[in-house]
Amino acid sequence: GAGVSQSPSNKVTEKGKDVELRCDPISGHTALYWYRQRLGQGLEFLIYFQGNSAPDKSGLPSDRFSAERTGESVSTLTIQRTQQEDSAVYLCASSLYLQGANEQYFGPGTRLTVT
Amino acid sequence: GNSVTQMEGPVTLSEEAFLTINCTYTATGYPSLFWYVQYPGEGLQLLLKATKADDKGSNKGFEATYRKETTSFHLEKGSVQVSDSAVYFCALSDNTGGFKTIFGAGTRLFVKA
Repeated sequence: GAGVSQSPSNKVTEKGKDVELRCDPISGHTALYWYRQRLGQGLEFLIYFQGNSAPDKSGLPSDRFSAERTGESVSTLTIQRTQQEDSAVYLCASSLYLQGANEQYFGPGTRLTVT
Repeated sequence: GNSVTQMEGPVTLSEEAFLTINCTYTATGYPSLFWYVQYPGEGLQLLLKATKADDKGSNKGFEATYRKETTSFHLEKGSVQVSDSAVYFCALSDNTGGFKTIFGAGTRLFVKA
């Protein structure tokens, strides 16, 4: 069946521009997560959604980052006024329920390069 | 706060060698523990998990035992193959911690034929 998809797969943008990253979770998955993975480093948790609600936004690196989700479907991560330190792979994952023991299914990621 | 520490890589082994990748954690509650694997050019996928103390997760010949007394979840495989070359991530998820999943930095494994 269809897995988690993300678009675009690669994005090169100039410093100061805004970018929007998209995640399509597995159908029926109520929980959705965003992570950032800098080159050679582990995953940095950004935000999670239960349905279209994001109870904890404290993982977002700055107020330039925002995310929203439409129902239990598509989510977008928006980075305003991009900086070079935003360059990373942005990963999206979904799981059936928002429960610690649930497996997360990851998308292929969006590689963002800010020049 | 919660944290995960795993051994630094890269780890280079010959085929059929024994593998151990150490992982220790700090958590305030009773977390679930995971190993995820990222094969070259692919996305992260769950390798195995354990949800309570003394549970053993296993898959594809890999095993890890949830040790609460040593706060560890070391990954082991008795005989590695070239196809096991990948980056391995230890992770924890604690329901009392706001459902955040904390990942370790990852350990890259190279297996030589």
